[in-house]
Amino acid sequence: NAGVTQTPKFRILKIGQSMTLQCAQDMNHNYMYWYRQDPGMGLKLIYYSVGAGITDKGEVPNGYNVSRSTTEDFPLRLELAAPSQTSVYFCASSRLASSYEQYFGPGTRLTVT
Amino acid sequence: QKEVEQNSGPLSVPEGAIASLNCTYSDRGSQSFFWYRQYSGKSPELIMSIYSNGDKEDGRFTAQLNKASQYVSLLIRDSQPSDSATYLCAALMEYGNKLVFGAGTILRVKS
Repeated sequence: NAGVTQTPKFRILKIGQSMTLQCAQDMNHNYMYWYRQDPGMGLKLIYYSVGAGITDKGEVPNGYNVSRSTTEDFPLRLELAAPSQTSVYFCASSRLASSYEQYFGPGTRLTVT
Repeated sequence: QKEVEQNSGPLSVPEGAIASLNCTYSDRGSQSFFWYRQYSGKSPELIMSIYSNGDKEDGRFTAQLNKASQYVSLLIRDSQPSDSATYLCAALMEYGNKLVFGAGTILRVKS
């Protein structure tokens, strides 16, 4: 199993541009999450999904959108990128609602200038 | 008050010593707690989970939970330079059913 994969690994955006961060998992996990991590800070939850077709906001959802059309994929969309969105983005998945043993992807380092 | 608090460190210990990492949480209803290790430039990886009061041991790692004091700790015995990393404490909050992370403690093991 590849686990959780993310693309791209690095990206530089200009202010106002848009992009989609891709995330996929092959563990048949129902639960998927998007976090951002700023330097010296913990992980902040952006959006999460409990299954295909179901998504919900986390702690810091403004400026982002998600969709979950399949169990495997959970893309994160940035509209009108701002410097405040410069961060490292991690996607994660877990199998059960009662199990928050989350497995993380390798991350995407995004810079907005 | 932050929901999950950790001393940012760095915590420096000599090789072979015991490293003690601590974490407090605000949600008294939290039931599940996790320790993740994150090497510089890498993603977090789960090393321990604990759900009941007391100690849980796994190799060189021991997690300790005291729900009355809202306190979680991680002990690393026989610390190795390869243990040098940031350790993230996470608690599953009762409200919203979400995992909340602390900012992490940087551990440095000196050889």
